[in-house]
Amino acid sequence: NAGVMQNPRHLVRRRGQEARLRCSPMKGHSHVYWYRQLPEEGLKFMVYLQKENIIDESGMPKERFSAEFPKEGPSILRIQQVVRGDSAAYFCASSPPGATDTQYFGPGTRLTVL
Amino acid sequence: GNSVTQMEGPVTLSEEAFLTINCTYTATGYPSLFWYVQYPGEGLQLLLKATKADDKGSNKGFEATYRKETTSFHLEKGSVQVSDSAVYFCALSRSSNSGGSNYKLTFGKGTLLTVNP
Repeated sequence: NAGVMQNPRHLVRRRGQEARLRCSPMKGHSHVYWYRQLPEEGLKFMVYLQKENIIDESGMPKERFSAEFPKEGPSILRIQQVVRGDSAAYFCASSPPGATDTQYFGPGTRLTVL
Repeated sequence: GNSVTQMEGPVTLSEEAFLTINCTYTATGYPSLFWYVQYPGEGLQLLLKATKADDKGSNKGFEATYRKETTSFHLEKGSVQVSDSAVYFCALSRSSNSGGSNYKLTFGKGTLLTVNP
């Protein structure tokens, strides 16, 4: 059973560009979570999604950030008009139904904004 | 709000030494507590968990006991190996809604452990 997959592993963008981060959950998992890890910090919750639904986006910045988990395909975290402060590692996790606190993490996408 | 404080690193030990990484938490109600491990270049892996007071989580020789009276969940291992070198994260889960599922993990900053042969 393949684990949580994220791509790209590394992403470099210039200020003002868009960043798209992809996450494929483990097989059989219908819950996806995104976390951000700033340098020297722990991971911070951003958003929790189920298929076609945003359940909790309380950790998402109000502007420029959006997330989706369509019926088909991976979950996407989209950052528009990136700024240097967006540079971080973005981790996706997934969980099976009924076990939302047992989360399996992907390897992360390291975003660098020049 | 919820928070997790874990001991500052880095921690450097010799092989077969005893390991303790301290973790304390602040939370309302009854959170679940976790230790995650992150090996270089990889994602976080769940190491162990405990869901109620006095529970002991254990895995791969690591142990941690949920101490509600001291709001602590210290990670211990009796004899570390070089392969244990990694970053260790303490975390708790508590829903932002009253009742419901505990999906929002709150993490400490992580502790880098290096084990030398």
